[in-house]
Amino acid sequence: AQKITQTQPGMFVQEKEAVTLDCTYDTSDQSYGLFWYKQPSSGEMIFLIYQGSYDEQNATEGRYSLNFQKARKSANLVISASQLGDSAMYFCAMREGTSGYSTLTFGKGTMLLVSP
Amino acid sequence: KAGVTQTPRYLIKTRGQQVTLSCSPISGHRSVSWYQQTPGQGLQFLFEYFSETQRNKGNFPGRFSGRQFSNSRSEMNVSTLELGDSALYLCASSLLAGGSGETQYFGPGTRLLVL
Repeated sequence: AQKITQTQPGMFVQEKEAVTLDCTYDTSDQSYGLFWYKQPSSGEMIFLIYQGSYDEQNATEGRYSLNFQKARKSANLVISASQLGDSAMYFCAMREGTSGYSTLTFGKGTMLLVSP
Repeated sequence: KAGVTQTPRYLIKTRGQQVTLSCSPISGHRSVSWYQQTPGQGLQFLFEYFSETQRNKGNFPGRFSGRQFSNSRSEMNVSTLELGDSALYLCASSLLAGGSGETQYFGPGTRLLVL
């Protein structure tokens, strides 16, 4: 079973509007971390935001916020006031456990296109 | 602070050759991970090094190997290249290894084309 599921292959949004990118995850660990990365066409993966499984508040970083619903195992990324430069692939990722050497598992990504 | 750097950025090789990719982590970061990204398979974990020791390995054949030096720089080697090895190879660094809260910061990647 996939550990990270991103059901939206592509999303369109107009400049200055807000957009939500969906991510659901599957883990039996109590301790885990959820990450969102942005990958422009240049290829570099840019870290956007992190949410720990024990964090009670939703994470926010500037225009990015993470809508964390633990019971539903979802960690949706919300981008407010979209900009043309937000056009890119967005990946949700998870790292499980507090001991040992867990790896970062990625979803298949969502391509976001922002139009003027 | 400088980010993660990877060299070379682009590489063209032929089947059967071998290739070595290099990664310099963010200053102070001791863990380096490698990922392969292809359109078909997405992002797949290759291995993670911490303090010159391989801590975790993905499901890749033995042709893929790596190492880490005492200054935390890492190299990845692929021997006997196959057409399917054409991919973007991403290196990521973090302060420590393994914990669920450890954020990995990625380099620009090396685009490898195998002809």
